[in-house]
Amino acid sequence: EVQLVESGGGLVQPGRSLRLSCVASGFTFDDSDMSWVRQAPGKGLEWVAFIRNKIYDKTTEYAAPVKGRFTISRDDSKNITYLHMNSLKTEDTAVYYCTKGVTVVRGLVLYYHYYSMDVWGKGTTVTVSS
Amino acid sequence: QSALTQPPSVSGSPGQSVTMSCTGTSSDVGAYDRVSWYQQPPGTAPKLIIYNVNDRPSGVPDRFSGSKSGNTASLTISGLQAEDEAHYYCSSYVTTNTVLFGGGTKLTVL
Repeated sequence: EVQLVESGGGLVQPGRSLRLSCVASGFTFDDSDMSWVRQAPGKGLEWVAFIRNKIYDKTTEYAAPVKGRFTISRDDSKNITYLHMNSLKTEDTAVYYCTKGVTVVRGLVLYYHYYSMDVWGKGTTVTVSS
Repeated sequence: QSALTQPPSVSGSPGQSVTMSCTGTSSDVGAYDRVSWYQQPPGTAPKLIIYNVNDRPSGVPDRFSGSKSGNTASLTISGLQAEDEAHYYCSSYVTTNTVLFGGGTKLTVL
């Protein structure tokens, strides 16, 4: 079964740090692009960051509100994606979803549509409050 | 960067068709055919239903279809069913190599 399981959320004070983890199973992790998407209480979805697979040198990109504070990384030997969050703000309070990018196989060619997410975890809740 | 613009709500009766819009700019929706749509019933994680404007992942019924004209993308659900009631979010690849979501549309099945 294709699955993503997030962990590491919790209550943290403003200015502190937190690390989220996402364990993948049921698919070839090191061929996959991974992203984090968050959803503040009662609000819509917000893309946070992505990390490409090793073919694309594990390159990363970030949304403007988190750039310079958050770092996405991956350990392909353990099938884990991380989100390191520093200098947390109250506006970072949200459910954080780990997601997998779409990969389409046509013949012998793999197409990576990393900007679309076809597998989602159940999410982990981060609350930033004093 | 501002979120893509979606109407807050749409509604329809069972069996009818509904269409919802997603408006961006020439830097996102209008720049590439890389618009996706996600369905999120209450209390659950989102589910991908359309990618690359009009491609459906395996298992998504062909009642769901997408289109795009200029800076506006659209999702059409035909043969509306009670189980389609959910929030729907569009997203687009952006020229800055990032991703932008819309604010979401709540679909009510009357």
